Amino acid sequence: GQNIDQPTEMTATEGAIVQINCTYQTSGFNGLFWYQQHAGEAPTFLSYNVLDGLEEKGRFSSFLSRSKGYSYLLLKELQMKDSASYLCAVLDSNYQLIWGAGTKLIIKP
Amino acid sequence: DADVTQTPRNRITKTGKRIMLECSQTKGHDRMYWYRQDPGLGLQLIYYSFDVKDINKGEISDGYSVSRQAQAKFSLSLESAIPNQTALYFCAPERNEQFFGPGTRLTVL
Repeated sequence: GQNIDQPTEMTATEGAIVQINCTYQTSGFNGLFWYQQHAGEAPTFLSYNVLDGLEEKGRFSSFLSRSKGYSYLLLKELQMKDSASYLCAVLDSNYQLIWGAGTKLIIKP
Repeated sequence: DADVTQTPRNRITKTGKRIMLECSQTKGHDRMYWYRQDPGLGLQLIYYSFDVKDINKGEISDGYSVSRQAQAKFSLSLESAIPNQTALYFCAPERNEQFFGPGTRLTVL
């Protein structure tokens, strides 16, 4: 079966750095996405990785290792508004997105 | 995403009633998806459509049907609603990344 694993919940301090991990086992791989979702709202796109390595976009970076079936989302200089759920999703061989359950990130002052 | 509209935004209905959720997009994307999201769970794919004549079942299609009236419109129907269909429903047009509509919160009593 296909599986995406990410921690259920994480807590971090305002101004700090946090890394949210995602491991996956899917039938084929055509890219990995990270989305941010605030409570009661729609997910919004953060990043897309299809090649190994680090993609940096402002305070957010995303890393991919295809051989390890592993990705992480790195958030720097945390702000209170970063409190949200972060969803990892993999595009499989049929070009269907397989979603993780999401990681709820709590930011404390 | 302001280019994706879902109606209604909120709906309370009774068991056994027929419900239609509508989605329209102005992005011109051929591919459109319907997801449901339950608290603490990831997004689950209900149906998807690659163009007007191509409709496919997702992982949880039982109890649902869809209609792709035009490239811009993709409707989801619950023929006879049941309480465990209470969830947040998202429509998502896609071209490389998915753009989510604002969601429909459906409660079945």
